[in-house]
Amino acid sequence: KNEVEQSPQNLTAQEGEFITINCSYSVGISALHWLQQHPGGGIVSLFMLSSGKKKHGRLIATINIQEKHSSLHITASHPRDSAVYICAVLPYSGGGADGLTFGKGTHLIIQP
Amino acid sequence: KAGVTQTPRYLIKTRGQQVTLSCSPISGHRSVSWYQQTPGQGLQFLFEYFSETQRNKGNFPGRFSGRQFSNSRSEMNVSTLELGDSALYLCASSLQQRNTEAFFGQGTRLTVV
Repeated sequence: KNEVEQSPQNLTAQEGEFITINCSYSVGISALHWLQQHPGGGIVSLFMLSSGKKKHGRLIATINIQEKHSSLHITASHPRDSAVYICAVLPYSGGGADGLTFGKGTHLIIQP
Repeated sequence: KAGVTQTPRYLIKTRGQQVTLSCSPISGHRSVSWYQQTPGQGLQFLFEYFSETQRNKGNFPGRFSGRQFSNSRSEMNVSTLELGDSALYLCASSLQQRNTEAFFGQGTRLTVV
């Protein structure tokens, strides 16, 4: 069974701090997604990774395929970064039986 | 470029009824996936459609079904609603199947009473 574990579950930090959210998964994957969800429900796709590292503005995502682990970093955090961050993995296609499997999410609050 | 549009945004239904939710993907996108989000289970994959065919299906009962039209718009249907079906239902569109970036709609919040 494919499991996705995120840590921490909750994180409160001060504005300007460097934030790291971790994601571990248990099966071979085709891709890993980092998603952001604000109150009200809308989800924004931040990154899709299959190897290495990606950067967009203050956000950096890395993945280690051998260790089955990914991290999302936020530099110079800001109160508007407050949201739930969700890791999701797409298992290798095994006959088309699986879609994305999601972590439980990390609730991030950045205080001014 | 218009985003993914889900209708309706909010819905209240009674146990035993059925409901149909709609998702219009980004123009040119051919893949539509549906997800259920509840406080207890988090986000769970329902099914994926590509070129009018269901390509993947999650672990949900047969009361949950869907279809995709030739213009890539998709609908999902839940029959014989149960209280536990109360959830946020999200759809996401992608240019192609698998390994492509997904763009999510705002979701339909279904309440079953």
